[in-house]
Amino acid sequence: DVKVTQSSRYLVKRTGEKVFLECVQDMDHENMFWYRQDPGLGLRLIYFSYDVKMKEKGDIPEGYSVSREKKERFSLILESASTNQTSMYLCASRASRNQPQHFGDGTRLSIL
Amino acid sequence: GQQVMQIPQYQHVQEGEDFTTYCNSSTTLSNIQWYKQRPGGHPVFLIQLVKSGEVKKQKRLTFQFGEAKKNSSLHITATQTTDVGTYFCALMEYGNKLVFGAGTILRVKS
Repeated sequence: DVKVTQSSRYLVKRTGEKVFLECVQDMDHENMFWYRQDPGLGLRLIYFSYDVKMKEKGDIPEGYSVSREKKERFSLILESASTNQTSMYLCASRASRNQPQHFGDGTRLSIL
Repeated sequence: GQQVMQIPQYQHVQEGEDFTTYCNSSTTLSNIQWYKQRPGGHPVFLIQLVKSGEVKKQKRLTFQFGEAKKNSSLHITATQTTDVGTYFCALMEYGNKLVFGAGTILRVKS
C-alpha cells in the first residue's frame, strides 16, 4: 500500500516566519503535489514536481516555494508566513500521468 | 485552464435515500477521476472513467461518464451513514495536472 507521510498534523506559526512542510512517499512515485484545501474552494494546486529537482507552478504558487532534492521527498516552503496562508495542506503522489493520486493525512497550519 | 463545476455543493439526505453529484466541464475530457474524503480524513481515490458513455459500479456506487465526455456523475443508492463525506471529481488538464471540483458534501441522517 502506498504511504504518503506528512511531517506534522497540526502546526502553529507566527506571521513572517519561514515555514517548512515536509512530505515523504515510499512507492518510488515520479510525481508529487502540494495542495491547499479551504472550505468551499476544494483542492487548489500550489506546486507539483515531475521528478527530482523539477518543479512546476500550480494555480496558486504566490508566497510558496518547493524543493525536491530526493525522489521520495517534496517540501513546501512558506517564505514569510501570512495569516491568509492558514489552511489545510495536502501532499499527494502518483506513479505517472493517469494514475490515481495518493494523499497524506494533511497538515493543518495556523498562522497567528 | 479547464473549468470544472460540481453540483450540488451540499446535500443532506435521510438514510436509505439516494444521492447524486454531478461534474461538468467546459471542454472534452480525456478521463475523469472521483475521490472521497471522510470528515477529518484525506481524499481517497475511488475510480477513473476513460471511455465515452462508460458506466462503472462499486457496490451501491454508480459512476457514469457522459457520451460527449464533458460531464460525469456519481450516484449512491440507499445511502448509509458510512457514505458521509465530501465527493470530488478531478479532471486531467493538458499536461500533468489534475483539476479538482469544489466537492459535494454529503450528510446522512439516521
